[in-house]
Amino acid sequence: GAVVSQHPSWVICKSGTSVKIECRSLDFQATTMFWYRQFPKQSLMLMATSNEGSKATYEQGVEKDKFLINHASLTLSTLTVTSAHPEDSSFYICSAFPGDRGPEAFFGQGTRLTVV
Amino acid sequence: GIQVEQSPPDLILQEGANSTLRCNFSDSVNNLQWFHQNPWGQLINLFYIPSGTKQNGRLSATTVATERYSLLYISSSQTTDSGVYFCAAMEYGNKLVFGAGTILRVKS
Repeated sequence: GAVVSQHPSWVICKSGTSVKIECRSLDFQATTMFWYRQFPKQSLMLMATSNEGSKATYEQGVEKDKFLINHASLTLSTLTVTSAHPEDSSFYICSAFPGDRGPEAFFGQGTRLTVV
Repeated sequence: GIQVEQSPPDLILQEGANSTLRCNFSDSVNNLQWFHQNPWGQLINLFYIPSGTKQNGRLSATTVATERYSLLYISSSQTTDSGVYFCAAMEYGNKLVFGAGTILRVKS
């Protein structure tokens, strides 16, 4: 399978600060990556589609100014949670499709964000 | 958009027992995947199975695309099988839509 890596695995930040989460495809190039959010005991909900070299596409109800996405290269997408508040505390997971190596999506290990 | 429903929501098994998890989806799909989320949150790919049957060790999966459902079979369950099992179907734009998951607990 393909390898998708996220960093950091967990982070604690103070209210009002910003946090950046990185998602890397280690052994393939990804023109598109996806960011999901998962609250405790709930399913994964798609937040946005990250597109290399262009603007991200956000799902309905997701604030684009709060969740900044940058996909500056074919192997890296970043999600920045700006002016974080306790209600932003969640598990954030990215995914990508390796494309020519098959139709499956592969996921990073996730980032657990706690805002205090 | 596509709707994905999973059942049962919770399942408790004695070690060694077999189980069947079900996933219903509301529209035809050309991508359906099963995942196991371990206690640390990592999603482990189990099967890519838009149709047909696949087996991998003690796990197997069957998707009947014409009837819009998929089944995941776990045989001879082990405590390490515990966790949350998700199915996900793809809609437009390569977006995966996840079901609510089945929480499996295997007791020794």
